[in-house]
Amino acid sequence: DAGVIQSPRHEVTEMGQEVTLRCKPISGHDYLFWYRQTMMRGLELLIYFNNNVPIDDSGMPEDRFSAKMPNASFSTLKIQPSEPRDSAVYFCASSLGGGAQHFGDGTRLSIL
Amino acid sequence: AQSVTQPDIHITVSEGASLELRCNYSYGATPYLFWYVQSPGQGLQLLLKYFSGDTLVQGIKGFEAEFKRSQSSFNLRKPSVHWSDAAEYFCAVGRRGNEKLTFGTGTRLTIIP
Repeated sequence: DAGVIQSPRHEVTEMGQEVTLRCKPISGHDYLFWYRQTMMRGLELLIYFNNNVPIDDSGMPEDRFSAKMPNASFSTLKIQPSEPRDSAVYFCASSLGGGAQHFGDGTRLSIL
Repeated sequence: AQSVTQPDIHITVSEGASLELRCNYSYGATPYLFWYVQSPGQGLQLLLKYFSGDTLVQGIKGFEAEFKRSQSSFNLRKPSVHWSDAAEYFCAVGRRGNEKLTFGTGTRLTIIP
């Protein structure tokens, strides 16, 4: 079975541009998580969904960040406008019934 | 609130030697416990998990971990490491009814020939 699929793997863009990260969870999984990983702050949970509904977005840094899950097989994390401090690796993970989370390979985002 | 401590930021071991990575958690009830491994440029891969039952848990790649409630620990072990085990290792804690995981800060493992 395919794992969690994220795209793009790498994104380099200029400050102020809109960035959209995409995630396809494992088929049948009902939870989806977005994380951010940096050297300074480690792995941070940004938001998670259950059955396409956002449950907890308390980790979203500010209003520039937004996430959607229009259906069970697709989610996006959007940053608008982007800033250099948003540079990080962003991971998507999914799980079934709140069990072990399975991670994608991440999107390495660089904001110049 | 739950928390996880991985006291060792970096560990170096010789290939073929045994390994133990420490993990301590803070949580009032019986936790769900996980170990993940992250190789450079990749996502986190689940090594093993503990939900209940036998306190010695076997995982992939020859790893095991033991849940010790009295010590609030869930240490990861491997009897003989291979060069391919060099990576970052993360311990995580969760609980029944709450799907959020709290991750430790990670332990970087270096293997020397």
